[in-house]
Amino acid sequence: KNQVEQSPQSLIILEGKNCTLQCNYTVSPFSNLRWYKQDTGRGPVSLTIMTFSENTKSNGRYTATLDADTKQSSLHITASQLSDSASYICVVSGGNDMRFGAGTRLTVKP
Amino acid sequence: DAGVTQSPTHLIKTRGQQVTLRCSPKSGHDTVSWYQQALGQGPQFIFQYYEEEERQRGNFPDRFSGHQFPNYSSELNVNALLLGDSALYLCASSALLLQDFRRNEQFFGPGTRLTVL
Repeated sequence: KNQVEQSPQSLIILEGKNCTLQCNYTVSPFSNLRWYKQDTGRGPVSLTIMTFSENTKSNGRYTATLDADTKQSSLHITASQLSDSASYICVVSGGNDMRFGAGTRLTVKP
Repeated sequence: DAGVTQSPTHLIKTRGQQVTLRCSPKSGHDTVSWYQQALGQGPQFIFQYYEEEERQRGNFPDRFSGHQFPNYSSELNVNALLLGDSALYLCASSALLLQDFRRNEQFFGPGTRLTVL
């Protein structure tokens, strides 16, 4: 069964600190993996998209990694800001399927 | 560029009623996908429209139907509303650059918050 599992479910960090969010998936075959940021009450906004051949993709302070062999991805946020407070959703596509994770709720406190 | 727009922003209905949600895609986009996002959950794919036809469908009952107009805008209709239909309904648009729509970049609208009482 194709699934996307994200951890932790929620995370609280202090402003300026770094953090790493995890995404494990069982979607097969694999086409691409995306990370989205979703502010409360808003639609998701794309941060990165990676295909099978890419193992790292950066977007400013956001860096995503992909290990297609272990079917794991991570999103690293550097020097967090208050505006990083949001839900971060991992989406894996492949074959006829597109699966969204439940997201990690990140809270950045001053 | 207004991006993806959705209306209304909020809606309250009672069980058994019918609802219509609307979406205008980002300029230059011809493909619209609809998602249901329950509180605290990730979005679930409902269906996708391209060239005014439903091209892909997720695991949702026939109570959920849609339409795409010649100007690429789209509607989501839900009949016989249930309490469990309460959710944020997201519309995403993309340009069908690649045959597999899942490989195309999607841009999401702000969503419509539906509450069923």
